[in-house]
This record gives sequence, C-alpha cells and structure tokens, in this order.
Amino acid sequence: EPEVTQTPSHQVTQMGQEVILRCVPISNHLYFYWYRQILGQKVEFLVSFYNNEISEKSEIFDDQFSVERPDGSNFTLKIRSTKLEDSAMYFCASRSGTNYGYTFGSGTRLTVV
Amino acid sequence: LAKTTQPISMDSYEGQEVNITCSHNNIATNDYITWYQQFPSQGPRFIIQGYKTKVTNEVASLFIPADRKSSTLSLPRVSLSDTAVYYCLVGEAAAGNKLTFGGGTRVLVKP
Repeated sequence: EPEVTQTPSHQVTQMGQEVILRCVPISNHLYFYWYRQILGQKVEFLVSFYNNEISEKSEIFDDQFSVERPDGSNFTLKIRSTKLEDSAMYFCASRSGTNYGYTFGSGTRLTVV
Repeated sequence: LAKTTQPISMDSYEGQEVNITCSHNNIATNDYITWYQQFPSQGPRFIIQGYKTKVTNEVASLFIPADRKSSTLSLPRVSLSDTAVYYCLVGEAAAGNKLTFGGGTRVLVKP
C-alpha cells in the first residue's frame, strides 16, 4: 500500500531556530496538506497545497510558516523561528483527485526547548 | 461546516462488536460522512466513507439512516489492536477540502 513518508520522526530544536519538516507524498496525488496535533489535543489543519500554490491556510499558519514543493516529490513545511508552543506532532497528508480518503504520514514530533 | 458529536470514550472486550454513533444534525446535502482511526503517535487513517444507507468494507461498516442526522461506525469482532481514537468527520468530499477533526471517541479494547 502506498505511503506518505515523513522525516525526521523526531526533531528537537531550540526556540528561535528554523526547522524544516519533510514529506514525500504518494506519487500520483495532487493535493497536499499539513496538520498538527499538540499533545492531548485535536488534529488541526494548517495548510493545503495544490498546483504549486497554497489553496487554503488556517489562522495558525502565520508568517512564520511556509510550505514548498521544491522538486515535484518532496513537500516541506518550514517554521522560520520556532516558539515553545510550536511543539507538536506534525502530519503531512496527500490525496488524489478521485479517491475520497486522505493518506497521512506517521508524523514528525517537534519539540521546541 | 456540520458539527459532529460523538462519545468521548468507549470500552469493549476482544471479539465484541463496537458501535460508535456520531450525531450531525445540521449535515448539508453535499456532505459525506467519513471516519478515521488514529493510533497513538501516528497519523489518522481513513476507515470508511458514506453518503446514505450502509457501506461496508474489509475493516468496518457504516450505517446512515434516511435523515442522515447521525451515523454509526461498526467494528466487528474487535481485537486489542483496535484500541485507538475514532473520528467522525462530515463535509464535502471535494478533493481539495480540508478535514476538520473533533475530539473523537477513544475506544479501549480489553482482553
């Protein structure tokens, strides 16, 4: 079964540092997403990406966040200057244009210290 | 966006059938009902989706009454590995749409 792959699985960073979370979506999927889940809380939508541009973003996705699909396979989430409250699991997801279900990756656990 | 209400938690035993009911009183005509499963420290996993009546796949069944104001996810003969959080989501099935997760139902399967 095709998978969405995320790296790294864990990342510890100092407050104020930049982090890049990486995702390899399923190859024939067209829609890409980032979600996050703070420990013990709901899964929250961050951003959706289609046709090489952001199609929707939440209020969480402020100027500190950016996404890129640099080479047609990777899909990255950059947090420019991390804050303690950015500590969470970050999930990448992708979806084809025809299949209803989203496929999520296993996540990157980001800890900001 | 239709609001969903589901029990916070449920306990069951191995081999039993688990039924989780989700209320979505203000579901819209174009909305589909989708269920996801999430294990600890993993991403949500699509289980099943339906619009009306009954849908069944190799993992679960989804029962949707005629008024579509609720739905029931049925997990047959659960095992310990079915312990997870189950989310009911309601929204349009258009490919670009985001998912809006609620709190889900935490199902604990006991031996």
